[in-house]
Amino acid sequence: ETGVTQSPTHLIKTRGQQVTLRCSSQSGHNTVSWYQQALGQGPQFIFQYYREEENGRGNFPPRFSGLQFPNYSSELNVNALELDDSALYLCASSLRQDAYGYTFGSGTRLTVV
Amino acid sequence: SQQGEEDPQALSIQEGENATMNCSYKTSINNLQWYRQNSGRGLVHLILIRSNEREKHSGRLRVTLDTSKKSSSLLITASRAADTASYFCATPEGYNQGGKLIFGQGTELSVKP
Repeated sequence: ETGVTQSPTHLIKTRGQQVTLRCSSQSGHNTVSWYQQALGQGPQFIFQYYREEENGRGNFPPRFSGLQFPNYSSELNVNALELDDSALYLCASSLRQDAYGYTFGSGTRLTVV
Repeated sequence: SQQGEEDPQALSIQEGENATMNCSYKTSINNLQWYRQNSGRGLVHLILIRSNEREKHSGRLRVTLDTSKKSSSLLITASRAADTASYFCATPEGYNQGGKLIFGQGTELSVKP
């Protein structure tokens, strides 16, 4: 049984650019959630995908968007990057839509300069 | 917005001592979860306590929940240097809504050998 894999682990982007982060769910998990964690803060919910449909969204602007694929892997896309988007982005997968039994990936550290 | 508030923000103890972290939340919940995070990496699920439970144990971990006070505590007994990490409490948004976990800001625990 594999865990949750995120790629890349680190990247640096320039303000105004676009970025795509990737997440492979744990085997058998059909739900993926994305969180943003600023330095020294707790994670903040961005959105969740269940069977390829968005199933809840946090207080993030539309330039944060996502996709879930038939194999339940997922992407997080951020357009028009801002300096405040610098953070650790965490992906979590689970078997259910509710908040039981999340398995988190190791995260992608995004730095916007 | 952050539902959980954790106390203390930072805790430094010697190996072998017990560590207690507290979490308060604002709305009714059906469960509360504790996670550990090592050095800005992914979150590891430690324990989940349901709203009808008052205490739960897992190895050296003991979690209590007081729904009348909207608070929870995590006790780590006989701490080890390897317990050095940040600890977060998290609750699902809404009583019966799934998906979104709301995290506190975390307690940074340092265990000195």
